[in-house]
Amino acid sequence: ETGVTQSPTHLIKTRGQQVTLRCSSQSGHNTVSWYQQALGQGPQFIFQYYREEENGRGNFPPRFSGLQFPNYSSELNVNALELDDSALYLCASSEDWFGEQFFGPGTRLTVL
Amino acid sequence: TQLLEQSPQFLSIQEGENLTVYCNSSSVFSSLQWYRQEPGEGPVLLVTVVTGGEVKKLKRLTFQFGDARKDSSLHITAAQPGDTGLYLCAGTYNQGGKLIFGQGTELSVKP
Repeated sequence: ETGVTQSPTHLIKTRGQQVTLRCSSQSGHNTVSWYQQALGQGPQFIFQYYREEENGRGNFPPRFSGLQFPNYSSELNVNALELDDSALYLCASSEDWFGEQFFGPGTRLTVL
Repeated sequence: TQLLEQSPQFLSIQEGENLTVYCNSSSVFSSLQWYRQEPGEGPVLLVTVVTGGEVKKLKRLTFQFGDARKDSSLHITAAQPGDTGLYLCAGTYNQGGKLIFGQGTELSVKP
């Protein structure tokens, strides 16, 4: 059974650019949640996708958007990057929207 | 605003010592999880507690959920260098899927 995978592993962008991060959910899971983890902090909930629909959103601006595909993989898009967007972006998949979440290794985004 | 306060933020101890990490909130959780995260990796679930007063043991780790479901603790007995890592508590409210994380406890166990 393949676990949650994320790509790319690392990414360097400059302010104002746009970025897309990808997540493949674990087999049999229909829900993906995205989190942002700044250095030295706990993860903060960005949003959750359940069966291709957004199912809850944290306190992040609209320039953070997402998508879930029919195979339940997911993308996180961030427009107009700011320096404070530098963080580890984690995705987690679960069997259902309330189920145990299994995390991927994360994508380390650096904004210069 | 639902907040989880975790303490201490940093802990450096010698191998063989015992330690306790605390996680507190003013809100009632429907469930609480403890995770361990190593550098460059995502958090790995250690345990989930759902019942007030519940105690769960995982080898040398003991997890306790407060009676009122507002607080939790993680106790490690005879810590080993392999226990080094970031320990995170996370709660869910109203059986929702959103996890609210504490800021984490960075544990370093020296041989």
